[in-house]
Amino acid sequence: NAGVMQNPRHLVRRRGQEARLRCSPMKGHSHVYWYRQLPEEGLKFMVYLQKENIIDESGMPKERFSAEFPKEGPSILRIQQVVRGDSAAYFCASSRGDLYEQYFGPGTRLTVT
Amino acid sequence: AQKVTQAQTEISVVEKEDVTLDCVYETRDTTYYLFWYKQPPSGELVFLIRRNSFDEQNEISGRYSWNFQKSTSSFNFTITASQVVDSAVYFCALSEEGSSNTGKLIFGQGTTLQVKP
Repeated sequence: NAGVMQNPRHLVRRRGQEARLRCSPMKGHSHVYWYRQLPEEGLKFMVYLQKENIIDESGMPKERFSAEFPKEGPSILRIQQVVRGDSAAYFCASSRGDLYEQYFGPGTRLTVT
Repeated sequence: AQKVTQAQTEISVVEKEDVTLDCVYETRDTTYYLFWYKQPPSGELVFLIRRNSFDEQNEISGRYSWNFQKSTSSFNFTITASQVVDSAVYFCALSEEGSSNTGKLIFGQGTTLQVKP
């Protein structure tokens, strides 16, 4: 009865490197949401995906950030050329539909040095 | 525009006290959903409750209870006989059903609850 899985749990990157965050939804869930929690701030929506489709990316920064949820495999949030301001906890959540409860993974804590 | 306000930044109580966490929301939709999540010191987010806008009945689950009042746009959360393990950050969140909304959660800033032994 695995929940939402995220890896890695902690990721350290130097400025300019790429960060790849992975999320495997709960069994039976085909909807994936990504949220970011910046220090001293609340949780902010980034992107919503279903298999092979980006449904809503209204919360994604315009540059350097991308997300995918392929037919096979986990959802991936990619951050290119990371900067210190990208340091945050990134949470993935999955649900069985648009307005159902979202179950969160343990998060990936990204530190940019 | 949608918004969730948790005016209490931090609350400190002594074990066995009752505590209420406030949540006020703003939305133009007639159909929406409200949620509470708990974030313990370990960092994960734990789902506590989901309530739709047409169900104003209060809910009780063990020591937890929720009071939903549409007239005041509030969805408050009460912990009865608090325990040290209740120490966490609690987030209230809103999701709207309108055509342009896709279930994304709008979170409040969170309330940090510290329960002292």
